[in-house]
Formats: sequence, structure tokens, C-alpha cells
Amino acid sequence: GENVEQHPSTLSVQEGDSAVIKCTYSDSASNYFPWYKQELGKGPQLIIDIRSNVGEKKDQRIAVTLNKTAKHFSLHITETQPEDSAVYFCAASNFNKFYFGSGTKLNVKP
Amino acid sequence: DAGITQSPRHKVTETGTPVTLRCHQTENHRYMYWYRQDPGHGLRLIHYSYGVKDTDKGEVSDGYSVSRSKTEDFLLTLESATSSQTSVYFCAISESGGDRYGYTFGSGTRLTVV
Repeated sequence: GENVEQHPSTLSVQEGDSAVIKCTYSDSASNYFPWYKQELGKGPQLIIDIRSNVGEKKDQRIAVTLNKTAKHFSLHITETQPEDSAVYFCAASNFNKFYFGSGTKLNVKP
Repeated sequence: DAGITQSPRHKVTETGTPVTLRCHQTENHRYMYWYRQDPGHGLRLIHYSYGVKDTDKGEVSDGYSVSRSKTEDFLLTLESATSSQTSVYFCAISESGGDRYGYTFGSGTRLTVV
């Protein structure tokens, strides 16, 4: 089955700096790559996604890039704010199932 | 989360007892999923359903069973709870199987087996 690895497990940045979270996947058949943000005590919420026929997607301060050849994709958050502090999960979708990374705890220091 | 509710939100149970968690949706989505979340492991799929009475196993299905007799309800049962099943359980729904619109997650059930 699919194996998704996510790095780093924790990330601490100063407010206003950029944050980058990286994921790799193993199954070349995976074709959809969502990113989720989970705040304390809540379920994960979709923040951005990308499909295998697209190399980059941007939505305001967040962007995702995908390199199909290398089987890796990344989340970029610019101009970080304290409310960006949360756990972020990447996922790779193979048919109708998602495989999640182990999560990155992002701490944005004011 | 809008359209999807999990019950109970918290539960403490004893080893060896059966436990049933409920996921209810009002979105009429075809696909429903049960995940468990543990530190260092992210979210791991237990079971999923692609329609009424249609279910399949995920990567960590041992010790769990599911049932879906109505579109809106997906039940997860621990036949005989063990301490290793202490976890936070999330239900998710999807209109298309996740490859176009992603999942919507519930707020989770924190289960403690003592």
C-alpha cells in the first residue's frame, strides 16, 4: 500500500517568517494530495489540495507544490501568523482511500 | 463540523467490554470512513464504507468491526476493548471517495480503555 512520510515533526518559526512542510509518497498511482490543518480538540480541516496534473497551487498565504517524478509535495505558508499554529497533515489519495503523513506541529511565535 | 457528528465525544471503558462509536451525517455522502489518531502515527484508516451495507477494511482493522444500515449512520464497534485501542477516533465523509473534494472530518471521539 501507499506510504506517506512527513517532515519535520515539529516546526517553530517567528511570526512573519515562512514555514515549509515536506511529504513524500511511494505509490505512483496516487493522484490527489490534500493538506489538512488540525487545531487542538478539533477534527482536521482541508486547507488546500493539488492533483497530479498540476505542479503548483496557491491560495492567499498558502501554496502547495508537487513533483511527481520525485514523488514529493510540499506545503508553504508565507507571512505566518499566530493563528497558523496547529498540526498539519499531508495525505496521498489512491482510488478512494487517503494515506496520511504523521503530522507536523507548527508553532508560530509572536 | 457541519453535517457530521460523532457520539460520544468522550468515553472511558474497561478492558474486555464492547464499545460502539457512532458517526452521523446529514450530507447524504456515499463514502464514510473511520480513522484513529495516535501520536507519531498520524491518521490511520480502520474501515470505510462506499454505500449502505458496503464496507471494507483499512490498514488497522484488527479488533474492529463496522456496520452501515443507513446512508447517514456508520457505526464502529470494538468487540472486546483493549488498552491498545485507547485513541482518538475520527469519522470522515466524502462525496466522491476523496479524489476530487477531499474529506470532511467529525470532531472526534476520545476513547480511553482502562
